[in-house]
Amino acid sequence: GENVEQHPSTLSVQEGDSAVIKCTYSDSASNYFPWYKQELGKGPQLIIDIRSNVGEKKDQRIAVTLNKTAKHFSLHITETQPEDSAVYFCAASIYSSASKIIFGSGTRLSIRP
Amino acid sequence: SQTIHQWPATLVQPVGSPLSLECTVEGTSNPNLYWYRQAAGRGLQLLFYSVGIGQISSEVPQNLSASRPQDRQFILSSKKLLLSDSGFYLCAWSEPGLAGNEQYFGPGTRLTVT
Repeated sequence: GENVEQHPSTLSVQEGDSAVIKCTYSDSASNYFPWYKQELGKGPQLIIDIRSNVGEKKDQRIAVTLNKTAKHFSLHITETQPEDSAVYFCAASIYSSASKIIFGSGTRLSIRP
Repeated sequence: SQTIHQWPATLVQPVGSPLSLECTVEGTSNPNLYWYRQAAGRGLQLLFYSVGIGQISSEVPQNLSASRPQDRQFILSSKKLLLSDSGFYLCAWSEPGLAGNEQYFGPGTRLTVT
């Protein structure tokens, strides 16, 4: 089955700098890659996703890139702000009628003021 | 708009006691429903998913069970809790059919088994 690995497990960046989180997946059939942000004590929130027919997607300060050949994808956050501090999860699934999303282990991002 | 509710928000139960967690979704019909467990500081583990009333698929063998008595209601149960059942339980929903890839999570239930 699918396996998703996520790095780093913790990341601390200065406010205003960029943060990058990287993930790899094992199943070449996976074609949907969402990213979730989880604040303390809350459920994960979908922040951006990408499908395998595109290599990059951007939404304001957040961007995701996908390399299908290498089976890895990344989340880029630019101009980081204190409210970006949270745990971020990458995930992979096969686009189907009942998607089973496989999650990475998470990255705890801390923004230093 | 769609909303998802979970209750209770927190729960402390002794080992060997029964469990019932409830999840309901509003604003959509025939959603796909999911139960996940998140151990402290860990990722999300899919426990069960359902594509319709009475249709439950189990991902991990354990002493938990799930039921879907109504279209937008998903229940997670156990007859006898174990210490290892402690964790943060999350319910999620997605649109039915081929649109069902974006999953949206509820606020979660934090379960502590003592």
